[in-house]
Amino acid sequence: KAGVTQTPRYLIKTRGQQVTLSCSPISGHRSVSWYQQTPGQGLQFLFEYFSETQRNKGNFPGRFSGRQFSNSRSEMNVSTLELGDSALYLCASSSLGKNTEAFFGQGTRLTVV
Amino acid sequence: AQTVTQSQPEMSVQEAETVTLSCTYDTSENNYYLFWYKQPPSRQMILVIRQEAYKQQNATENRFSVNFQKAAKSFSLKISDSQLGDTAMYFCAFGTGNQFYFGTGTSLTVIP
Repeated sequence: KAGVTQTPRYLIKTRGQQVTLSCSPISGHRSVSWYQQTPGQGLQFLFEYFSETQRNKGNFPGRFSGRQFSNSRSEMNVSTLELGDSALYLCASSSLGKNTEAFFGQGTRLTVV
Repeated sequence: AQTVTQSQPEMSVQEAETVTLSCTYDTSENNYYLFWYKQPPSRQMILVIRQEAYKQQNATENRFSVNFQKAAKSFSLKISDSQLGDTAMYFCAFGTGNQFYFGTGTSLTVIP
């Protein structure tokens, strides 16, 4: 079965712009989580969606937002981009039940110039 | 607060040798999972091994095994017979609910 698909793979944006990233989870998975990965910081949790509802949110400013659609696809949006937002953004999906394995996409590399 | 600490930013090992990556975590939860993920240069995060906190027996997966010390909140990964393909970033992670907490990673290089 197809894995987690993230689009686009690469993005270059200018400070002040906004960006939308997309994630299609594994078929049947209803939980989608987003992470920001930067060198030396590991993976920082952004938020998690389940059945179109945000269940958990990490410690990021309100410029970072997301949503999930009825087909479980998810988007995250970053407004008023800052240089520090340059990172690899990873999406992970998991099936019902607690503590299940997270399956990751290949990420979107965002560069803010 | 849930935290995961990997105190070894970089490690190297000779091909065919054994290496151990360290991880400690902090949580007040009783029911959780621990994971080691591998991220090669392709950036694809791949699950290496998983341990349920309620199981005392250490998980093993071929050349990969863990040393899980629940009281000490320690979860180290041992890679035996290291292969060139093991070169990657390794992340220790702790999961509760559908939220996962990751360490900062250990960059492992296998030297031919």
